[in-house]
Amino acid sequence: SQKIEQNSEALNIQEGKTATLTCNYTNYSPAYLQWYRQDPGRGPVFLLLIRENEKEKRKERLKVTFDTTLKQSLFHITASQPADSATYLCALDLSFSGGYNKLIFGAGTRLAVHP
Amino acid sequence: GAGVSQSPSNKVTEKGKDVELRCDPISGHTALYWYRQSLGQGLEFLIYFQGNSAPDKSGLPSDRFSAERTGGSVSTLTIQRTQQEDSAVYLCASSHGLARTQYVDEQFFGPGTRLTVL
Repeated sequence: SQKIEQNSEALNIQEGKTATLTCNYTNYSPAYLQWYRQDPGRGPVFLLLIRENEKEKRKERLKVTFDTTLKQSLFHITASQPADSATYLCALDLSFSGGYNKLIFGAGTRLAVHP
Repeated sequence: GAGVSQSPSNKVTEKGKDVELRCDPISGHTALYWYRQSLGQGLEFLIYFQGNSAPDKSGLPSDRFSAERTGGSVSTLTIQRTQQEDSAVYLCASSHGLARTQYVDEQFFGPGTRLTVL
């Protein structure tokens, strides 16, 4: 069956450390992979997109890797801050022609950064 | 508008009643998506609109669920004869909907409607 797995347990880290979140998938061959942040009671907010021919993408303190052989993406937040505490969602982007990008979401990993 | 808006923010209904959920996408966005998020679960795709047509309805769980979009803008998701298992947060998202070339066609999400079926 088709599955997307993210760390099911909440991730607790100390402020200033690097948080690493994992997204594994099976039976898909996405052209892109997206990461979103979701705060309680809010809709997800887009963070980063990485293409299948890119190994790594960075944006400020965020870094995403994409290994299509392992079918895995890693999401890193360096120098983490309590404000980074949220649920992070991985989404496989099954882009189709005509501007339609169907996102298949994982269940998300809840990150808590402690002062 | 400034962002995607949804109404109502909360809806409590009795089993068997019909409900309508509304989504106002960002002005100019041609693509509109509906998702459902149950407690502790990821977002579940329901339906996609390009303009007023729905090329992909594959995620609608049953024929009790329907959606329409008028004027290429506002969309309404209707659930008939609601069941307790329909309780969830229903999220709407919109995007430019243009062919993907060198830019990111990210989806912009609304705050969701929390539906509780008693």
